[in-house]
Amino acid sequence: EPEVTQTPSHQVTQMGQEVILRCVPISNHLYFYWYRQILGQKVEFLVSFYNNEISEKSEIFDDQFSVERPDGSNFTLKIRSTKLEDSAMYFCASSDAGVEQFFGPGTRLTVL
Amino acid sequence: GQQVMQIPQYQHVQEGEDFTTYCNSSTTLSNIQWYKQRPGGHPVFLIQLVKSGEVKKQKRLTFQFGEAKKNSSLHITATQTTDVGTYFCAGAGANNLFFGTGTRLTVIP
Repeated sequence: EPEVTQTPSHQVTQMGQEVILRCVPISNHLYFYWYRQILGQKVEFLVSFYNNEISEKSEIFDDQFSVERPDGSNFTLKIRSTKLEDSAMYFCASSDAGVEQFFGPGTRLTVL
Repeated sequence: GQQVMQIPQYQHVQEGEDFTTYCNSSTTLSNIQWYKQRPGGHPVFLIQLVKSGEVKKQKRLTFQFGEAKKNSSLHITATQTTDVGTYFCAGAGANNLFFGTGTRLTVIP
């Protein structure tokens, strides 16, 4: 069964450093998303991406964040200068018709 | 902004007991989705409700969408240990999901 994959599973970085989180969505899906979940809290929407551009973004997705689909398979989230409060689990998701979203296993980001 | 609240935040039940989580939105929803997240896992889609007053069943799970499309509920009959996890409702926008605060279910064998 096709699934969304994410790498790395755990990323530790120093405050102020740049990180890139990588996702490979399900191959025939057209809609891509990033969410984050601070430990023990709800899942928060960051950004959606369709047709090589951002469809919608939340207040959390400020100038420090960017997304890219550099090729036909990868979908990345970049945080330019990480802050302590960026520590969270980051989930990538994809969907075909924009209904059911399939989530990846997540990347746990720890900012020291 | 849109807020989606769920109650209770936590629920402990004996195996075999029923469980219900309630979801309330500050705004009318076009549709609502439910996800389950096992401990240490990722959200997994359960169902989508679209119509006012809609009721859908999946084995022991019953999902309901309120008449005003501002609330929803998930009821599990005769819980099993495999039901443990956090259940989230999510208001579906055009290009995003607004997740509720979640209800963490613990099932005591």
